[in-house]
Amino acid sequence: EVELVESGGGLVQPGRSLRLSCAASGFTFDDYAIHWLRQGPGKGLEWVSGITWDSGDTAYADSVRGRFTISRDNAKNSLFLQMNSLGTEDTALYYCARDPYPKRDIVGTTYYDFWGQGALVTVSP
Amino acid sequence: DIQMTQSPPSLSASVGDKVTITCRASQGISIYLAWYQQKPGEAPKLLIKGSSTLRSGVPSRFSGHRSGTDFTLTISSLQPEDVGTYYCQNYNSGPPAFGRGTKVEI
Repeated sequence: EVELVESGGGLVQPGRSLRLSCAASGFTFDDYAIHWLRQGPGKGLEWVSGITWDSGDTAYADSVRGRFTISRDNAKNSLFLQMNSLGTEDTALYYCARDPYPKRDIVGTTYYDFWGQGALVTVSP
Repeated sequence: DIQMTQSPPSLSASVGDKVTITCRASQGISIYLAWYQQKPGEAPKLLIKGSSTLRSGVPSRFSGHRSGTDFTLTISSLQPEDVGTYYCQNYNSGPPAFGRGTKVEI
């Protein structure tokens, strides 16, 4: 059974940093691109970032480019999101989600076939 | 970037009713539209890909249809377990764009 479990969320002051993790199991992690998406309080879904199976390509939403960095460790079946210079607008539930197409060479635009339960990030003074 | 306009924002229907949710893309996206269901307190779950292909295990009362840049999700006979918020998502090009969601209540 495919499972994605996020961790690392919490309360942080504006301007500070936080690192999210996503632990994957139940599938061959290093075959698939994985993405981060977020959902602000009472808001809809927003794509944040994605990384290919081999870390050869990454992509970011304009709202986070230059502040967030996505990475992965295939040996540990793990995905990460380093978030710097956080602002109140980054307050959200952060999900990791899988691209269903294996071995894609570019992040590309895709849909998501499996999602984690989310990690809550609250940015507040 | 492509914008997705989803309607209605919310609806209330009775068990057994037919429910239709609409999503309009700001430009052509071919068939590259997905629908997700998000139950309260849960992560989104994929229902439909390719505008009309039902994911394995999704009940057949759910269906998707495309007409140009207009897409519909239909629940043929609403069940209590269908309560939640439904989102459409473009995956044709550019940053993945989601509709603002439709909250379905009974």
